[in-house]
Amino acid sequence: GAVVSQHPSWVICKSGTSVKIECRSLDFQATTMFWYRQFPKQSLMLMATSNEGSKATYEQGVEKDKFLINHASLTLSTLTVTSAHPEDSSFYICSARDAEVWETQYFGPGTRLLVL
Amino acid sequence: DAKTTQPTSMDCAEGRAANLPCNHSTISGNEYVYWYRQIHSQGPQYIIHGLKNNETNEMASLIITEDRKSSTLILPHATLRDTAVYYCIVAGSARQLTFGSGTQLTVLP
Repeated sequence: GAVVSQHPSWVICKSGTSVKIECRSLDFQATTMFWYRQFPKQSLMLMATSNEGSKATYEQGVEKDKFLINHASLTLSTLTVTSAHPEDSSFYICSARDAEVWETQYFGPGTRLLVL
Repeated sequence: DAKTTQPTSMDCAEGRAANLPCNHSTISGNEYVYWYRQIHSQGPQYIIHGLKNNETNEMASLIITEDRKSSTLILPHATLRDTAVYYCIVAGSARQLTFGSGTQLTVLP
């Protein structure tokens, strides 16, 4: 149990295009999902917290108009990187908190984004 | 959330127990100790968590000192597939997880 999936697993896009990444909790309901970014040889950095049916809360320094987050259902959150640039190239990882077992978060496998 | 301190790296022989320490001297009463690991180019994998009592599951054991200022993650029989970065995180149950640098565990054949 407690499986979180992400799609796509990797994506290459041209500078200026938008990319959507999906995060799904497959066998549990997630009232809260989190989006992280990880640059090479660095640790995970929290970008935003997403609660189902409400606006996401962004960490300081993360542009909410550039990283659009939608959490329309208890099993799906999406992150859209708008007008992507090479500096947005990174490993994007989501996690989901089980609505019934609040203590634990489960992570997706990550999405590697390369912007050319 | 309380800050944690972990060694940068550790080695362990295959088949032996791996003991990964973590200091969290500023932990507060309602904060849990979580352990995750990240194998290269993958998302973090949940290992175990605890509040006060020692915990054991199919992956590992978590030993928390009585004063809760430190803990040890034990992988009883390390295999090559356990080579990963191990993160010790202290957080309240409803709070987001803040990742530090973790410990790079290398299991040697």
